[in-house]
Amino acid sequence: GDSVTQTEGQVALSEEDFLTIHCNYSASGYPALFWYVQYPGEGPQFLFRASRDKEKGSSRGFEATYDKGTTSFHLRKASVQESDSAVYYCALGGDASSGSWQLIFGSGTQLTVMP
Amino acid sequence: AQTIHQWPVAEIKAVGSPLSLGCTIKGKSSPNLYWYWQATGGTLQQLFYSITVGQVESVVQLNLSASRPKDDQFILSTEKLLLSHSGFYLCAWSLVGWGGNYAEQFFGPGTRLTVL
Repeated sequence: GDSVTQTEGQVALSEEDFLTIHCNYSASGYPALFWYVQYPGEGPQFLFRASRDKEKGSSRGFEATYDKGTTSFHLRKASVQESDSAVYYCALGGDASSGSWQLIFGSGTQLTVMP
Repeated sequence: AQTIHQWPVAEIKAVGSPLSLGCTIKGKSSPNLYWYWQATGGTLQQLFYSITVGQVESVVQLNLSASRPKDDQFILSTEKLLLSHSGFYLCAWSLVGWGGNYAEQFFGPGTRLTVL
């Protein structure tokens, strides 16, 4: 079945460092891909999405580019801040033809940014 | 602007007791609605979805049930709680997808459930 893999379970950076969180997916066709961020004790917040090959999504300084060739949607930010500390989830829209509207989430990456 | 409210904020319940969690969405007509479960430190697992009043589909079996009695209300319940039901329950909404394309989902603040 469809799946999402986030390589890093935890990432620790200093302020102004460059961030990359890797997300790879397994699915047929062109599934919609999403990034969410979750702060402690809160529901996840939608960051952005992409639906087509080479489409770039971005929000709040974060960005990711849909790459069908490498089945990836890596999250990047040029300069992280302490306030970016949170858990980041990559998600995939499952088989839309099934009508289930199921979002499949990766295992999440805990980002900790030190001042 | 649309708002999503979940109740209660937190619950502590005994094994074998019943449970009812609620979710209300305001400011959006006929949204798709979803229930998710998140174990402590874990990822999100979709439990149910609903595209219209009175119609709910199950994604995984966890001895839970869901209902949509009104367009803006989604209820999660069980008659007998298990220890494994502990976790964070999240309600979400989305616009209806089109042409096989997914719309992004927006999450509520969640309900923390502890089963003892």
